[in-house]
Parts: sequence; C-alpha cells; structure tokens
Amino acid sequence: AQKITQTQPGMFVQEKEAVTLDCTYDTSDPSYGLFWYKQPSSGEMIFLIYQGSYDQQNATEGRYSLNFQKARKSANLVISASQLGDSAMYFCAMRVYSSASKIIFGSGTRLSIRP
Amino acid sequence: NAGVTQTPKFRVLKTGQSMTLLCAQDMNHEYMYWYRQDPGMGLRLIHYSVGEGTTAKGEVPDGYNVSRLKKQNFLLGLESAAPSQTSVYFCASSSAPGPGELFFGEGSRLTVL
Repeated sequence: AQKITQTQPGMFVQEKEAVTLDCTYDTSDPSYGLFWYKQPSSGEMIFLIYQGSYDQQNATEGRYSLNFQKARKSANLVISASQLGDSAMYFCAMRVYSSASKIIFGSGTRLSIRP
Repeated sequence: NAGVTQTPKFRVLKTGQSMTLLCAQDMNHEYMYWYRQDPGMGLRLIHYSVGEGTTAKGEVPDGYNVSRLKKQNFLLGLESAAPSQTSVYFCASSSAPGPGELFFGEGSRLTVL
C-alpha cells in the first residue's frame, strides 16, 4: 500500500529564517514522483516542486528545495529565507507511475511566518 | 486561461438528496481526479480516471459515483447525500507521460444538512 505521512500539523517560523517541512512516504514501487503543493488561506492549490525517484540531484525551484533521501523514504521541503506570504498549508503528495497514476496526499502542515 | 473549472462552487443539500459536481478541463489532459478535503485530513482521493471511458476507485469511494464520457469532463455524483459528505471537493487533472503534476480547480464547498 502507498502512504504519505506529514508529522507536523503546524509550525511557526520567524520571517527570513529557513524552514523544513517533513514528509515520509511508503511504496514498494521503484518508479514514483513526489510533489509539494501550497494552499494559502484563499484555498487554491499551488504546485511548488517535483522530485522523481530516479532523479540523481535534489530538485530546486527558487527558494524551494526538496531534500530527497531515498533510503529513508523522505522528501522534505526546505524553504529558504521565509516570507510572510509563505504562511499557508503545505501538502506532500506521491504518484506511483505503475499503479495507474493514482496520486495520494499527506495530511498537511500549516506553516505560520512571524514578522 | 480556464484550466480546470468546477461547478457549482457552493451547494447546500438536505440528507438524502442527490447532486452532481461537474469538472471540465481544457488542457487535453488524460488523467482526472476527484478529492475531498476535510480539516486535519488533507486531500483524500475519491475516484480518478486515466482516460475517456475509464474510472477507478481511490481511497474513499463509498457513497460517490463518477463518469468520464468525454475526455474533458469528469462528473462526481452523490446519489443520497449524507452529513458525512460535507466537505470541500477538488477536481484536478494531469498530463501523461511526464511528472504529471496536478492542475486543480478552485474547489466546491458542499454542505449536507
């Protein structure tokens, strides 16, 4: 069975500090992708970053990077130099490519940035 | 740039009533998904489709039915609504092949009294 776990229901971080949001996953399939999405209070879902299971390097997109540790089955999101606009819910998701592209999500982490 | 459009955006139902949520995408995506979002539980997959005429069950399919008669549309039906189906419903689509990130609709808030 596939599973995504986010163990931090909520986090508070000071503006301009870096923050790491944890995500662990479970799958026996060798081909999968990991995603992070942001959901601000307005409710829309915003795609942030993607990491494929065969990618050799950690993904980066601007201030976002994905700390991918395959042996530990973790895919933590790192936000550098946090901003007030980063306050939102963050969801980790996994797509297993051999199982008809089902995409499942973790329960999310609510990140609050303090000025 | 319509992307993924959900209708209706809001709906209030009485227990036992039926309704259909419509999802339409204009990106020619093969895959489409229906999720529900409840506080503290993230997004849970209800049903999904990997192409026109196909559907498959997700994590929480009970009480819902879906149809994908046209590639661009994915319908979610509630035959007999229950208060436990009060939730925010998101439709999403993705392309194939490739990483396949999801493109989401704006969500539909359903309340069952």
